[in-house]
Amino acid sequence: EPEVTQTPSHQVTQMGQEVILRCVPISNHLYFYWYRQILGQKVEFLVSFYNNEISEKSEIFDDQFSVERPDGSNFTLKIRSTKLEDSAMYFCASSAPAGGPWETQYFGPGTRLLVL
Amino acid sequence: QKEVEQNSGPLSVPEGAIASLNCTYSDRGSQSFFWYRQYSGKSPELIMFIYSNGDKEDGRFTAQLNKASQYVSLLIRDSQPSDSATYLCAVKDSSYKLIFGSGTRLLVRP
Repeated sequence: EPEVTQTPSHQVTQMGQEVILRCVPISNHLYFYWYRQILGQKVEFLVSFYNNEISEKSEIFDDQFSVERPDGSNFTLKIRSTKLEDSAMYFCASSAPAGGPWETQYFGPGTRLLVL
Repeated sequence: QKEVEQNSGPLSVPEGAIASLNCTYSDRGSQSFFWYRQYSGKSPELIMFIYSNGDKEDGRFTAQLNKASQYVSLLIRDSQPSDSATYLCAVKDSSYKLIFGSGTRLLVRP
């Protein structure tokens, strides 16, 4: 069964450093998302991406964040200058263009980011 | 601010019992409703979705939606210890994003 994959599974970085989290969505999906989950808290939406542009972003997704689809398979989340509060699990998700409200998002295994 | 509320639990049921998980949402414009299961340290795994009022069954799982009451529930029949996890309710409006509740932790006692 096709699945979303993410690399790396764990990332440790120093505050102020740039990190790039990578995702390979399910191959025939056209909508891509990033969510994050701080330990013990809710899963929070960050950004959605379709047709090579951002469809929607949350208040969390400020100028420190960017997304890119550099080729036909990868979808990346870049955090330019990491802060301690960016420590979280980051999930990539994708969905097929079903065109209806039942369109489901499938999640990757996540990247656990720790900012020291 | 659109909210999705769930009782954090834990909800403890004996093996073989029915587990009932509840969720309320604030946005009347919400169109579709999803239940995900999340094991500790893992990603959300889709169980089922519902978008019409009433019940929807899939194996041991039944989702129930009442849009007038802004309420959605998940019933798990014949609960198994492997069902022990956190169950996340998520709501989607006309936009693309999912709004998650904080989850209900379910413990199924052998």
